[in-house]
Amino acid sequence: AQRVTQPEKLLSVFKGAPVELKCNYSYSGSPELFWYVQYSRQRLQLLLRHISRESIKGFTADLNKGETSFHLKKPFAQEEDSAMYYCALSGTLTGKLIFGQGTTLQVKP
Amino acid sequence: DVKVTQSSRYLVKRTGEKVFLECVQDMDHENMFWYRQDPGLGLRLIYFSYDVKMKEKGDIPEGYSVSREKKERFSLILESASTNQTSMYLCATYRGQGARWRGGTEAFFGQGTRLTVV
Repeated sequence: AQRVTQPEKLLSVFKGAPVELKCNYSYSGSPELFWYVQYSRQRLQLLLRHISRESIKGFTADLNKGETSFHLKKPFAQEEDSAMYYCALSGTLTGKLIFGQGTTLQVKP
Repeated sequence: DVKVTQSSRYLVKRTGEKVFLECVQDMDHENMFWYRQDPGLGLRLIYFSYDVKMKEKGDIPEGYSVSREKKERFSLILESASTNQTSMYLCATYRGQGARWRGGTEAFFGQGTRLTVV
């Protein structure tokens, strides 16, 4: 079965603290993993994708096929990072984009 | 800039009504999706379409149907609205290859329709 699991509903950190949002997946073929973000009163938008190996707004994510994980990390959280984050998956076995349950990141001043 | 426009931001409907949610995109994308977004459940796929007049069921299609008569427009229909269909509905679009995922592509979302069924 194709599935994305985000175990934390809410992650609350202080400004300047490191952040790690967890994402685990289940997929039989070659997956493509993404992180999407939704800021308050804005539409859902792409943050980053694993194939690009990019850092966006200081966030990085590495695909670990052995652990089937794609955790999102940032060394120093900022207040403007407060948002809902969704991990998503697609790949060669499907035309669908499958999302996890979402994690709300709250960065306190 | 890709524009994905949902016809209504907020809707209030009565139980039993037939409800139409419209989504229009202007980027000539093949694939269009309807999700519902609920706290703690994330985004769940209702239906998707990878071509005009083509549709496939997602994970929670019960109580819903869809229509895709033109490439740019994808409609979600609640045949007989019920209170458990109160939710945020999101439309998304991306460039695809028929029923297959096109590697590296990005999905673009509408602003969402908050539907309340009373």
